[in-house]
Amino acid sequence: QQQVKQSPQSLIVQKGGISIINCAYENTAFDYFPWYQQFPGKGPALLIAIRPDVSEKKEGRFTISFNKSAKQFSLHIMDSQPGDSATYFCAASSKAAGNKLTFGGGTRVLVKP
Amino acid sequence: DGGITQSPKYLFRKEGQNVTLSCEQNLNHDAMYWYRQDPGQGLRLIYYSQIVNDFQKGDIAEGYSVSREKKESFPLTVTSAQKNPTAFYLCASSENNQPQHFGDGTRLSIL
Repeated sequence: QQQVKQSPQSLIVQKGGISIINCAYENTAFDYFPWYQQFPGKGPALLIAIRPDVSEKKEGRFTISFNKSAKQFSLHIMDSQPGDSATYFCAASSKAAGNKLTFGGGTRVLVKP
Repeated sequence: DGGITQSPKYLFRKEGQNVTLSCEQNLNHDAMYWYRQDPGQGLRLIYYSQIVNDFQKGDIAEGYSVSREKKESFPLTVTSAQKNPTAFYLCASSENNQPQHFGDGTRLSIL
């Protein structure tokens, strides 16, 4: 059972455009929602994270929007740059379950110059 | 530099052979994790350990084994019982209730 569903699987955006990746979860016990960025041959790196007590968090060009009632959250990459071309993973965890991360399937983003 | 070191970067396994992947961290983190990454499926948790000398099965533990004899080390053995071992294996660590930090992975292939 896939507890975190991520879409789209891939995305092409022009330089300067906005990349939007969506995730939906089922487990209402989840209380931590990070996004990771992964380049080929490397491990994922934490990009930005949110807890359900806020609806939005912004760090530079990256913004997470969180909708608790809909059990959805999304990543917006503003002013996308070629260096943002990578695979992005959403994830979720709960303190009650030992903070184990459940990952979405990933979105491969390509930013064209 | 503080971080997580995985070795080797590439590993090949013969039929019927057990292989061990190394994961070392110098971040003084209590918790360590092993994930398997396959194309289009994200990361799946194999085993995790929250303290030394204790570890728990994740979602796909069959065919794998681990040990946690030292805080900084969490080796993963891929046994011959794992019939589809070809994947990218990632190790992570964290302090309790803090984000997980990942190593750069080991790519395992079948000869």
